[in-house]
Amino acid sequence: EAAVTQSPRSKVAVTGGKVTLSCHQTNNHDYMYWYRQDTGHGLRLIHYSYVADSTEKGDIPDGYKASRPSQENFSLILELASLSQTAVYFCASSAGIYNNQAPLFGEGTRLSVL
Amino acid sequence: GDSVTQTEGQVALSEEDFLTIHCNYSASGYPALFWYVQYPGEGPQFLFRASRDKEKGSSRGFEATYDKGTTSFHLRKASVQESDSAVYYCALGETPGGNYKPTFGKGTSLVVHP
Repeated sequence: EAAVTQSPRSKVAVTGGKVTLSCHQTNNHDYMYWYRQDTGHGLRLIHYSYVADSTEKGDIPDGYKASRPSQENFSLILELASLSQTAVYFCASSAGIYNNQAPLFGEGTRLSVL
Repeated sequence: GDSVTQTEGQVALSEEDFLTIHCNYSASGYPALFWYVQYPGEGPQFLFRASRDKEKGSSRGFEATYDKGTTSFHLRKASVQESDSAVYYCALGETPGGNYKPTFGKGTSLVVHP
């Protein structure tokens, strides 16, 4: 069964600390995405990747880095976490342009920066 | 850049009411259009898609028709149930520069009262 698994499901971080959110997909999809969800803003794209060892900036990349070491894994890195990065983060995967594939989402990671 | 504008905030209905959530898009190409539903504590779930003008997508009693002339993809359901209470997202999938980059609206919260 197609799946996108995120870890951790929730995290509390301190301001200025480093945070790594992980995502694993078993769908053999080329594309992976990181979205941020905030009330009033919906889902906003942070970074995405269409091939291992390469990442692309999305619409709100500032303060975030991404890493795609393999087709299955995609990480989101906050080098210096800030209060404004408190949000729910979703990872998604997609086959991309083939058949206009809709992204498949994980369950989300709730991040609180204190 | 590409954008999606959907009915803002919350829509409150009673069971068996007719639902319309408006979605309009702005894109340079001919994007695929999607509707997603998100229940509390879960990731967004794909509802259905449409890929060409006048195509109708549908699932679970929900439907929407791709209208390139009015750049719209409005979500409709004839008779809502309390279990339909959720957040609904309209999204478009396009390939600027060849990379598949889905864009989501801000979401519309549907509350159905028994």
